[in-house]
Amino acid sequence: QVQLVESGGGVVQPGRSLRLSCAVSGFTFSSYAMHWVRQAPGKGLEWVALVSFDGSNKYYADSVKGRFTISRDNSKNTLYLQMNSLRAEDTAVYYCARDSAALPAAIFDYWGQGTLVSVSS
Amino acid sequence: DIQMTQSPSSLSASVADRVTITCRASQGISNYLAWYQQKPGKVPNLLIYAASTLQSGVPSRFSGSGSGTDFTLTISSLQPEDVATYYCQKYNSAPYTFGQGTKLEIK
Repeated sequence: QVQLVESGGGVVQPGRSLRLSCAVSGFTFSSYAMHWVRQAPGKGLEWVALVSFDGSNKYYADSVKGRFTISRDNSKNTLYLQMNSLRAEDTAVYYCARDSAALPAAIFDYWGQGTLVSVSS
Repeated sequence: DIQMTQSPSSLSASVADRVTITCRASQGISNYLAWYQQKPGKVPNLLIYAASTLQSGVPSRFSGSGSGTDFTLTISSLQPEDVATYYCQKYNSAPYTFGQGTKLEIK
């Protein structure tokens, strides 16, 4: 069955960096676009970033543009989110989510369990 | 950027009631609209895409309609397991914005 497992979350000081990973199984990773979506404590969902099936196209929310980088390693079936210059407002559960298509449709049909990132001094 | 506004923000209804949640886009998005259900403490789950297409495995009491700027999610007969927060999301182009959510409770 389809599985997405995030890791790499934790407590980090403002201005520091963190890299999240999402290991996937149960489907052909290289055939799907992938996304990161976050949810601040007690708040709604916010789309963060998208990478196309082959990594050639990437898009970001304005709130993270220039600070976060999404990437993927299709040989390792793993999605990444490099987060730099972290701010308190980046505190959230970060979900990786599978797109329903190779070229982005941005319909999130499978989600990981999420990893919590807490930015605090 | 296009904004997505849901109403109401919260809703209390009785079992077997018909429930309707509305989502409005600040600009037309054709039918590029999805609905997600997030039960308390759980991961979001895709219910509907293309405004009215039911995702595989989703109970038929859920339905969606609309096009352009105005969309609705309807639960025809509310069940206790439908207690959740519901989100609409546009996907015509980035950014793929979600609505603020509608929290549904049982009266």
